[in-house]
Amino acid sequence: AQTVTQSQPEMSVQEAETVTLSCTYDTSESNYYLFWYKQPPSRQMILVIRQEAYKQQNATENRFSVNFQKAAKSFSLKISDSQLGDTAMYFCAFAEGPNDMRFGAGTRLTVKP
Amino acid sequence: GAGVSQSPRYKVAKRGQDVALRCDPISGHVSLFWYQQALGQGPEFLTYFQNEAQLDKSGLPSDRFFAERPEGSVSTLKIQRTQQEDSAVYLCASSLEGTSGSEQYFGPGTRLTVT
Repeated sequence: AQTVTQSQPEMSVQEAETVTLSCTYDTSESNYYLFWYKQPPSRQMILVIRQEAYKQQNATENRFSVNFQKAAKSFSLKISDSQLGDTAMYFCAFAEGPNDMRFGAGTRLTVKP
Repeated sequence: GAGVSQSPRYKVAKRGQDVALRCDPISGHVSLFWYQQALGQGPEFLTYFQNEAQLDKSGLPSDRFFAERPEGSVSTLKIQRTQQEDSAVYLCASSLEGTSGSEQYFGPGTRLTVT
């Protein structure tokens, strides 16, 4: 069974600094997809970034980037130049097929002014 | 365009009551998902539709849970004879395609409290 582990229940960072959120997963498959979703206090989840396992290059979306280590089954999210609006729950998710997305327990990130 | 909407946003039910939760996906989205999110946890998969067909209901916790999407757009999640353990946020998501890796767009959720 797929499992997704986020080992940091809570993190905080000063505004404008950089923070890295950790995620590890377990699978025996070689092709799959990894995601980071953001859930602000209003509860609507938003996709932050997506990585396809067969792509070597780490995905980047503006201030958000990932460090994908396939052999280690690690998928960390780096947020650069943190902003107050980045305060949210962040969920790492894993999917092999179209309907089997599995989420980690989440990391609560607080950006301090 | 409009995103995924869910109603009601909050629902309080007495134990034993039936509830119905509605999801309006983004127009034209083929796939629709229901998730259950307990307090302090990540969403857990309940069921999946591709158009009107319910292709996977393996995550439904009991036969008290039932979901439908009769015309391939709006979906309803029904919970019969609610129990306290059903208290959670129920999230609906839709995606344009039914392919692996497709982005899911989430609604704001319905917070169900069973007293």
